[in-house]
Amino acid sequence: DTAVSQTPKYLVTQMGNDKSIKCEQNLGHDTMYWYKQDSKKFLKIMFSYNNKELIINETVPNRFSPKSPDKAHLNLHINSLELGDSAVYFCASSLTGPLDGEAFFGQGTRLTVV
Amino acid sequence: AQKVTQAQTEISVVEKEDVTLDCVYETRDTTYYLFWYKQPPSGELVFLIRRNSFDEQNEISGRYSWNFQKSTSSFNFTITASQVVDSAVYFCALSEAVSGGGADGLTFGKGTHLIIQP
Repeated sequence: DTAVSQTPKYLVTQMGNDKSIKCEQNLGHDTMYWYKQDSKKFLKIMFSYNNKELIINETVPNRFSPKSPDKAHLNLHINSLELGDSAVYFCASSLTGPLDGEAFFGQGTRLTVV
Repeated sequence: AQKVTQAQTEISVVEKEDVTLDCVYETRDTTYYLFWYKQPPSGELVFLIRRNSFDEQNEISGRYSWNFQKSTSSFNFTITASQVVDSAVYFCALSEAVSGGGADGLTFGKGTHLIIQP
């Protein structure tokens, strides 16, 4: 079974559209994240959710909004897509607190805005 | 603010050579975690190691070894007898412990592209 799964793996869409990327983890972790990897391979955190509460909200455009229906899911909604949003988006999850372990990553979603 | 520097953008070696990937970090916290991840051409991120700031013991796992030195804020990664399958982008990352057990994400370095030539 896949620990962290995200769908779709590839997403091609036109500028101005609204799209969502889904993420689910079956590890029982308390915290989930979204990272963006740009064309230069630079990885940067966008959001993290702990028990359905937003813990970190980096300075990303408010067109991006995370939605967490439950502890096992953290979906990423993007409104009014722009060319610069083209990137690979990774979902991840981890434990929190003193027993914090490594972050487990999904396989990534390659978003291409045309 | 925390920062991770991987000064080597790209390294190319011939198979069976040893290679060391450098990682230097900055943090104001006394408690933090350091990580290495591998990203092969297929694109997924593969966890390699996690080290907390109170554990300076070096670690060896097969052909992989890690040298953590707090005095120089470095967490270097060495692959001995490199193989073509080691070709990938390697990321060093830092996570600071937030008081109260809150969640903090990883701050990544820019990655080192390792090319192992046959």
